[in-house]
Order: sequence, then structure tokens, then C-alpha cells
Amino acid sequence: DIVMTQSPLSLPVTPGEPASISCRSSQNLLHSNGKNYLDWYLQKPGQSPHLLIYLGSNRASGVPDRFSGSGSGTDFTLRISRVEAEDVGVYYCMQTLSTPYTFGQGTKLEIK
Amino acid sequence: QVQLQESGPGLVKPSETLSLTCSVSGGSISGHVWTWIRQPPGQGLEWIGYIYYTGITRYNPSLTSRVTISVDTSQNQFSLNLSSVTAADTAVYYCARTSLEGTTELWGQGTLVTVSA
Repeated sequence: DIVMTQSPLSLPVTPGEPASISCRSSQNLLHSNGKNYLDWYLQKPGQSPHLLIYLGSNRASGVPDRFSGSGSGTDFTLRISRVEAEDVGVYYCMQTLSTPYTFGQGTKLEIK
Repeated sequence: QVQLQESGPGLVKPSETLSLTCSVSGGSISGHVWTWIRQPPGQGLEWIGYIYYTGITRYNPSLTSRVTISVDTSQNQFSLNLSSVTAADTAVYYCARTSLEGTTELWGQGTLVTVSA
């Protein structure tokens, strides 16, 4: 199985400040078709997860442009340019290059 | 818009079979991939498996001996069966729609299943 490792696991952030979360995979997620099979999700308190970023860097429909995804191969980053109160929750990366699909441990973002 | 809704017993006895159904509304089940994911209380997410609307399945090897995912296109729903459950199978179970490239693009609200005598 591909192991996904996120850091940090806890992220206190002041509103208006930027934030970034790292996700590293144990195997290269860059397919020969040029796509990175890495997605980002946010699970707000008491809710099911929802999609933020797919295939490494594509924002899902309705996701604010303060969220961006970057990286390739085994190293990926989710960035929030200016954190807002509504961004609190647990962020997960997930690889979909090969089954079983696997998630990172999650990064809990909280407001200072 | 497309919505997913899980249904099934919230309590299952050890050694019995957990059975859940996901009803898809606002769109057709055809042409898509359908997934089950679970989350033990206070823990992270675990991919259980998926089914293509044609019936092709892929399961997590850690569960493959106990899991079956099926689809009923006439009812616009798909199902999860997990046999021989233990307390370790206690979790919120989510059904989801997955793109052909594996992205879980739409999630149900989830249903808590507790395994206990």
C-alpha cells in the first residue's frame, strides 16, 4: 500500500494569515499521463469530508481561490493564502494512483 | 443536484453482517464509480472499495475476504455488506461518488454503525 504522511498534524493559525500543509507519499504519484493522483479534502466539524483539490492542483467547483494545491511525484502542499474562521477542520490528502486508495493521517487546523 | 444517502442498521452484533445501502437521487447511477469509505470514531479515513456501475469492483485487501459491494441500477442505489464484524468495524460509513480518475467528488452524510452485543 502507498503510505501517505501529512505534516503538521496540528496547525493553529491566526485569521488572515497563510497556512500550508505538507503531504508526502511513499511512492511516486505522477502517472505517465502527466497527472498527479493526489486529492485534498476538508472535513469540517460534524460534517462529511468534501473535495478541495483534485489531481494535485485543480480546485474543485465552488472552492474559494484562497486554496491552492501544488507539488508533484511524492511531495505535495496545500496552501491557504489567508485563513478564515470557516476553514477550521481536518484536512486530508488522498492518493488515487493505485488501490487500495489511502489517506494521510489528517491535519487539524484551528484558529488561534 | 446529486445527493447520496446511506441507510441501514445503526447497531450490529459481533460476528454478524453489516449491510448498508446508498440511495442516489438527482442523477443516474450509470456512468459513474461508487465508493464506500469509513471512519472509526475520532480517527482517520479508510477506503473500503468501489464498484463501477457495470458491476466491476475493487476492494481494500485488508477487508477483501469480508466485503461485498453491489449495485442496483434499477433502484439507483448501491450496497455494502461486511461480514463477521467485530468492534473494530465500528465506524461512520460514507458512501460516495468517485470520478474515473479516482477522485471522491461527492460524499454522503455518513451513518454510524456500532458493533456491540
